[in-house]
Amino acid sequence: GIQVEQSPPDLILQEGANSTLRCNFSDSVNNLQWFHQNPWGQLINLFYIPSGTKQNGRLSATTVATERYSLLYISSSQTTDSGVYFCAASNTGNQFYFGTGTSLTVIP
Amino acid sequence: DVKVTQSSRYLVKRTGEKVFLECVQDMDHENMFWYRQDPGLGLRLIYFSYDVKMKEKGDIPEGYSVSREKKERFSLILESASTNQTSMYLCASSFDRGYTEAFFGQGTRLTVV
Repeated sequence: GIQVEQSPPDLILQEGANSTLRCNFSDSVNNLQWFHQNPWGQLINLFYIPSGTKQNGRLSATTVATERYSLLYISSSQTTDSGVYFCAASNTGNQFYFGTGTSLTVIP
Repeated sequence: DVKVTQSSRYLVKRTGEKVFLECVQDMDHENMFWYRQDPGLGLRLIYFSYDVKMKEKGDIPEGYSVSREKKERFSLILESASTNQTSMYLCASSFDRGYTEAFFGQGTRLTVV
């Protein structure tokens, strides 16, 4: 299967700060997604981004498929951004391989 | 919006019980998945289904079975629950293999005592 590595594992930010989360994957993919896991455990879809760049409000993501990495940018962070961020990759559709996540804490 | 609904958010069951976790999606998706999430181990695939009555084992199928009699519903069955099956269970669905976005349910926290 695909090995997915996320960094950093933990991140503490002051409210208003910007951050970059990284996801490296070991093989070519046709599906790359970013999720935010809320405090109740649900995985919320942030981006479906097998390649290119997308933006949604304060969040944006870039995937460079040829170099096998993806970045999630969070600007002007808010306390509600706290939680665990996962990236997941697939090249078969039979399963999605998850990284171990980045735990983000935003303090007021 | 795509909606994936798991039947329970929290469950407490006794060792040896037969446990059913239900998942329903409302977007006519072909694929459905069951994952479990454990601290330090991340999300691991238990079973995958790509069509009605079709299933494939994931990385950790031991102790589990699944049922997909209708396209919208995918059930995970713990034949005889054990304490090492205490975990967070997450169901997901996607439209077809590999090329479309996956959506997750709210999760079921199962405790086996």
